[in-house]
Formats: sequence, C-alpha cells, structure tokens
Amino acid sequence: KQEVTQIPAALSVPEGENLVLNCSFTDSAIYNLQWFRQDPGKGLTSLLLIQSSQREQTSGRLNASLDKSSGRSTLYIAASQPGDSATYLCAVGAGYSTLTFGKGTMLLVSP
Amino acid sequence: NAGVTQTPKFRILKIGQSMTLQCTQDMNHNYMYWYRQDPGMGLKLIYYSVGAGITDKGEVPNGYNVSRSTTEDFPLRLELAAPSQTSVYFCASSPPGALTEAFFGQGTRLTVV
Repeated sequence: KQEVTQIPAALSVPEGENLVLNCSFTDSAIYNLQWFRQDPGKGLTSLLLIQSSQREQTSGRLNASLDKSSGRSTLYIAASQPGDSATYLCAVGAGYSTLTFGKGTMLLVSP
Repeated sequence: NAGVTQTPKFRILKIGQSMTLQCTQDMNHNYMYWYRQDPGMGLKLIYYSVGAGITDKGEVPNGYNVSRSTTEDFPLRLELAAPSQTSVYFCASSPPGALTEAFFGQGTRLTVV
C-alpha cells in the first residue's frame, strides 16, 4: 500500500524567503506526482504535475523535483509572498489516475 | 467553464438518515473520483469511475454507493449516515493518461449528529 509523508507539517516564514517542502512515498511504481494548493474551506488547485519519467517541472516561482528511485519529491517556492499562505498537498498518481495524498504542509508567510 | 461542481456545500444529517452528494463536470472527462478529507489528514479515495456505467472501490468505500449513468454526473450516496462519515467530500475529474492533472470541486462539508 502506498504511503505518502510530507515534512514539515507546518512552516512559518517571513516574506521573501525561499523555502522547500518535502514529500516522500513508499512505492516507486508511480505514474506521476502532483502538488496541490488548498486554501481554507476551498477545493484543491493543481500547481505542478511531474510524470514518472521526468525529473522536474517549473511554473513561475514554483519548482518541483522528483526522484522516483529514492521515493522523494520537493516543492521549491522562491521569494515567498503572503499570498502563498495555504496548505500544500503532495499526491502520487497510480492506475486510472487515482491519487494517494500526504497530510499536507501548512504554510504561513508573514509580511 | 464551470469545471467540477458539487452540491450541496454544507449539510447536517442525523444518524441513520440518507443523502446524495451531487457532482457534475462539464469538461467531458472520462475519469471521476470521490475523496474524503478528515481534519488534519490527507484525502482518501472512496470510489472512482473510468466512464459511464463503470465504477470501482477506492481505499474507504464502506458506507457509500455510487453510480455513473452519464459522463457528466457522478453522485455519491450515503445510505445510513454515521458520525464516522463526518468529513469534507471532494469530487474530482480528469482525462485519462499519466500526463493529465486532476480538477477538484469546492467540496461538501458534511456533519452527522
């Protein structure tokens, strides 16, 4: 059974800092890995999707890497802003695009 | 383009009552999913469907039923509500394939008292 772990559970940083969120998974037989953002009381917004054959994906200030052999992914956020405050979820994709989620990292960026 | 729409947004049920959570998508996606999210936890897959007339169980299917009569709609049925089903329920859809991202609805917050 796939298990996904996210570290840290919570993170508080001042505006402007670069930061890294970590995700690890137990079964390397994955189709893809997605990072989502979840705002309080809202649904999930997909940030980045990395195929199992890829090493990284970038979108604006976000960069996600994937090391399938070691079962790890990182989400790098450059020059953090208060608007980045949210919970970030890592999810591993398997057959029929079903997802196994971690518990998330709650990020607070203070002005 | 509405995406994935869930109704209702909030609901309070009494133990033993039944209800249907509605989900519809307008992106013509083949794949649809129901997840639940308990406080401080990640989302867990309840049921999924790869097309009209085809459904399969996820990690936590007990106490729920689904049907998929059209591409657009994927309702989730709770037959005998229990306090353990208090959760936030998310419906999602995606096209088939490993290159495709999932699109989520805004969620239904259900409380069973």
